[in-house]
Amino acid sequence: EVQLVESGGGSVQPGGSLRVSCAASGFSLNDFWMHWIRQVPGKGLEWVSRIANDGSASRYADSVKGRFTISRDTAKNTLYLQMNNVRADDTAVYYCARPYCPGDCLGAFDIWGQGTMVTVSS
Amino acid sequence: SYVVTQPPSVSVAPGQTASIACGGNNIGSKSVHWYQQKPGQAPVLVVYDDSDRPSGIPERFSGSNFGNTATVTTLTISRVEAGDEADYYCQVWDGNSDQFVFGSGTKVTVL
Repeated sequence: EVQLVESGGGSVQPGGSLRVSCAASGFSLNDFWMHWIRQVPGKGLEWVSRIANDGSASRYADSVKGRFTISRDTAKNTLYLQMNNVRADDTAVYYCARPYCPGDCLGAFDIWGQGTMVTVSS
Repeated sequence: SYVVTQPPSVSVAPGQTASIACGGNNIGSKSVHWYQQKPGQAPVLVVYDDSDRPSGIPERFSGSNFGNTATVTTLTISRVEAGDEADYYCQVWDGNSDQFVFGSGTKVTVL
């Protein structure tokens, strides 16, 4: 079964750091670009970042550029989002998501994790 | 950056048809995807590439594209059921910024 399971969420102080993880099963991260998408509770969805299937490239939303870093460990088939210098407006549920097509796919996200909550508060 | 607009809410009686609009500059030239999200759950893809349905999604869900210069596209839910009550989001990829953009979401209420 194709599945994504996030972990690592929690509370962090403004200016602090946190790393969230997404364990993939049923497929290989070597075959798909992978994404992080977040959602402030009660609000809409916001795309955050993506990483190439071979790890050679990454892209970021303007709101997190320079503060967040996406990475992957192919041996563990796990995706990461390192969040540095976090702000109150980074408080959200963070989802990892996979497009329906392999490679450099700009298509829809057909596989989502259950999400992990990150709260930035002093 | 590219902006995608949606009405905040749509209300529909059971058995009737709900239409949810998704607007943007020349959105007809882009591939539009639609997601359903129920409270406390992750989004579920219901329509991709304007009008295709993933396996397991009922034919009651359909998407429309009105041509490359269209500024609006729609998700139509036919024969609405109580279980269709949810938030619906449209999404595109903006080639100019190389970013993925979601609409603000439409809450569908089944009366």
